[in-house]
Amino acid sequence: QVQLQESGPGLVKPSQTLSLTCTVSGGSISSRAYYWSWIRQHPGKGLEWIGYIYHSGSTYYNPSLKNRLTISVDTSKNQFSLKLTSVTAADTAVYYCAREEIYRHRFDPWGQGTLVTVSS
Amino acid sequence: SYVLTQPPSVSGAPGQTARITCGGNNIGSKSVHWYQQKPGQAPVLVVYDDSDRPSGIPERFSGSNSGNTATLTISRVEAGDEADYYCQVWDGSNDRGVFGGGTKLTVL
Repeated sequence: QVQLQESGPGLVKPSQTLSLTCTVSGGSISSRAYYWSWIRQHPGKGLEWIGYIYHSGSTYYNPSLKNRLTISVDTSKNQFSLKLTSVTAADTAVYYCAREEIYRHRFDPWGQGTLVTVSS
Repeated sequence: SYVLTQPPSVSGAPGQTARITCGGNNIGSKSVHWYQQKPGQAPVLVVYDDSDRPSGIPERFSGSNSGNTATLTISRVEAGDEADYYCQVWDGSNDRGVFGGGTKLTVL
């Protein structure tokens, strides 16, 4: 069964770059049936879709973040990554990675999530 | 952009039926997915494509979708069902995933 695990710093300074990696186990990130996605949840708030990447490297980003966002994939390591530049306190959130089915865009499964705090 | 509207809270007594709605413009033309999130945990898919259940999800969880409203129905509510529930669709016009604001289910 596929499992996802986020990793990366839990604390980032304002104006710096937030970098996270999601490691996929139990399945191949090169599967043609799935995108690989990032979703975040601000403290006490709802879910916000950040963007996805296909194993080929094609991406789709949330328009509200696209100017600061890069999602990349490393098929040799079965990992995909998120970089968000010029962060502010408003980027403080729990960041989840998830597998996204390509036709109906359901997210399953999800990683456990990692809290990233933006603070000096 | 496409907006999904959920009631902030819903409550139900054990053994009763709880219904959580998700409103959106012509949502009946989209595939709706539902997630359960318990405190401190990641969301879990409980219903997909309007009314299908992933393996391992009890039959008590069901969904429907028509017109401008999708509904998640939880029959014979149990204390363990207490959680936040989110609906989600894909906004094809803007190529983005969209979540509802979430509904907190309280089991009385």
